[in-house]
Amino acid sequence: GQQLNQSPQSMFIQEGEDVSMNCTSSSIFNTWLWYKQDPGEGPVLLIALYKAGELTSNGRLTAQFGITRKDSFLNISASIPSDVGIYFCAGLNYGGSQGNLIFGKGTKLSVKP
Amino acid sequence: NAGVTQTPKFRVLKTGQSMTLLCAQDMNHEYMYWYRQDPGMGLRLIHYSVGEGTTAKGEVPDGYNVSRLKKQNFLLGLESAAPSQTSVYFCASTPRAGNGYTFGSGTRLTVV
Repeated sequence: GQQLNQSPQSMFIQEGEDVSMNCTSSSIFNTWLWYKQDPGEGPVLLIALYKAGELTSNGRLTAQFGITRKDSFLNISASIPSDVGIYFCAGLNYGGSQGNLIFGKGTKLSVKP
Repeated sequence: NAGVTQTPKFRVLKTGQSMTLLCAQDMNHEYMYWYRQDPGMGLRLIHYSVGEGTTAKGEVPDGYNVSRLKKQNFLLGLESAAPSQTSVYFCASTPRAGNGYTFGSGTRLTVV
């Protein structure tokens, strides 16, 4: 089946640093989504991208839908301790099985105060 | 507005026992999903439903059954639990294909 390659697997950064993570796929997607999962909770949607080339911000978060439609990245500026968690990318291809999301394996972010 | 509610939150089963996980959503969403999350494996789709009375297999359906008798509820059943089914289970819903999913807070299941 379709797979997303998400990198890095984990990051240890200092508070105040910027963070960048990305997802790539061998398949084209129509939609890219970025989720954050806090410990003991379900994933929560951060940003949704619907057009190739689209750049969208949500506070200190910025995400882009790659021009080739096979990749997306998420940047977090000036990280703070509450940014700790696992970040998942997810792609959607309407030509796939009933429009189900395909998830990356996650990037675990740790922030040192 | 509760969103997606999963019960129970925690459960310990003995090998061979059966149980049902309940997912309830109050957003009138058509699509519902069951995922399992294991360390290093991300979220893997078990079964899903595109409407009341319909179900379909996902990536890892073996050992699980589901039912969607009412639009707001999606049940995940384990007929004979195995240690390999120790995992965190998440339910999600969405109004239509192409929208992001709303997730529940998960059920942590341990099979001993």
